[in-house]
Amino acid sequence: DAMVIQNPRYQVTQFGKPVTLSCSQTLNHNVMYWYQQKSSQAPKLLFHYYDKDFNNEADTPDNFQSRRPNTSFCFLDIRSPGLGDAAMYLCATSRDGGWSATWVYGYTFGSGTRLTVV
Amino acid sequence: RKEVEQDPGPFNVPEGATVAFNCTYSNSASQSFFWYRQDCRKEPKLLMSVYSSGNEDGRFTAQLNRASQYISLLIRDSKLSDSATYLCVVKTLAGGTSYGKLTFGQGTILTVHP
Repeated sequence: DAMVIQNPRYQVTQFGKPVTLSCSQTLNHNVMYWYQQKSSQAPKLLFHYYDKDFNNEADTPDNFQSRRPNTSFCFLDIRSPGLGDAAMYLCATSRDGGWSATWVYGYTFGSGTRLTVV
Repeated sequence: RKEVEQDPGPFNVPEGATVAFNCTYSNSASQSFFWYRQDCRKEPKLLMSVYSSGNEDGRFTAQLNRASQYISLLIRDSKLSDSATYLCVVKTLAGGTSYGKLTFGQGTILTVHP
């Protein structure tokens, strides 16, 4: 089945040690998003790619970076993880289907990567 | 003020009960509206889109009031398997594009008990 795959499902990293989370999709969607969801909170958008164009949210810390080498893959890099970065990181995709089609499209989410910082 | 606000609950209801969730949003430019379901430690999954005319999918009914910027979800004949967190979600088009960004409410926790 076409889907959004995130690896790994669980990631433990040391305080301050760079970590990379990956996301791949077989849906050929041109928009990819990274969300951070802390315990009992809403998912919060960090940034998104429209094709190769990177769009950062204003309040996303510089510690978070992203790469999209091709349509299928997108990476989230945390340069120096702190204890407060422990969260579920969700990758999602959507397609730009034009004005009318966009109306009903939600996102397709990956299963998420749960990051623990020790 | 949060862009999307929900009563976090929790709602504890017996099987067979009818339960309603409410949500308000602050951005009048929001274009599309959804309810997502999230099980514990899992990713959100689309439950249903919400249309201005109201829409129904089996036991689930969603309503949208654009004037009041209010969205609702009604679940009839609750099942044990309905226990989850229900997220109210609005989509706002990214400037100059035809795709959007989703903004999530905090979610409402529902527990259905025997």
